[in-house]
Amino acid sequence: DSGVTQTPKHLITATGQRVTLRCSPRSGDLSVYWYQQSLDQGLQFLIQYYNGEERAKGNILERFSAQQFPDLHSELNLSSLELGDSALYFCASSSGLAGYNEQFFGPGTRLTVL
Amino acid sequence: DQQVKQNSPSLSVQEGRISILNCDYTNSMFDYFLWYKKYPAEGPTFLISISSIKDKNEDGRFTVFLNKSAKHLSLHIVPSQPGDSAVYFCAASANQGGSEKLVFGKGTKLTVNP
Repeated sequence: DSGVTQTPKHLITATGQRVTLRCSPRSGDLSVYWYQQSLDQGLQFLIQYYNGEERAKGNILERFSAQQFPDLHSELNLSSLELGDSALYFCASSSGLAGYNEQFFGPGTRLTVL
Repeated sequence: DQQVKQNSPSLSVQEGRISILNCDYTNSMFDYFLWYKKYPAEGPTFLISISSIKDKNEDGRFTVFLNKSAKHLSLHIVPSQPGDSAVYFCAASANQGGSEKLVFGKGTKLTVNP
């Protein structure tokens, strides 16, 4: 158990819809990262928040947005969903700001867009 | 453009033998390299890392070698155990504008046969 929780575990929705994925980091961790893993793809970095502020952005689509709340939990919002958005979405947390700090991953949310 | 490449999607070895997982990168600005291990239905877990100022880092049965001139790193597992069967991801980070984000390869599935 990494100490990072993600909800829901599975999500099935239709094209055009909007969903919210939630992540609670390990106690004390200030950084939260979001990754997307599509079929046969590695982990694609989406975005990082540190203590409530956006710190780094990857190849995140404009239809996607995220935020980190004062209690440090984070949400990833995916809107106008397309079939290609079906993927595993991982949240990770770390104590520091740098990406090379050990990141602790949650179990992921599997999103299926029909 | 894939900056971190794991050209072998899978690898099968016998228990007790050495497992060698390879990773190539293209970005000479990468200054930190990490390996993560992932079991099915779980998030990735950190395994071992190496700074670009070193050429070797060892942790128990796991050793990572870095060849900067060849832009190549490898993970050696000796001896391999059935519990090592998992997907191994190579990742690299580079400081970009004060933040470091991880770039992952697509992973190599290691199977250790009893």
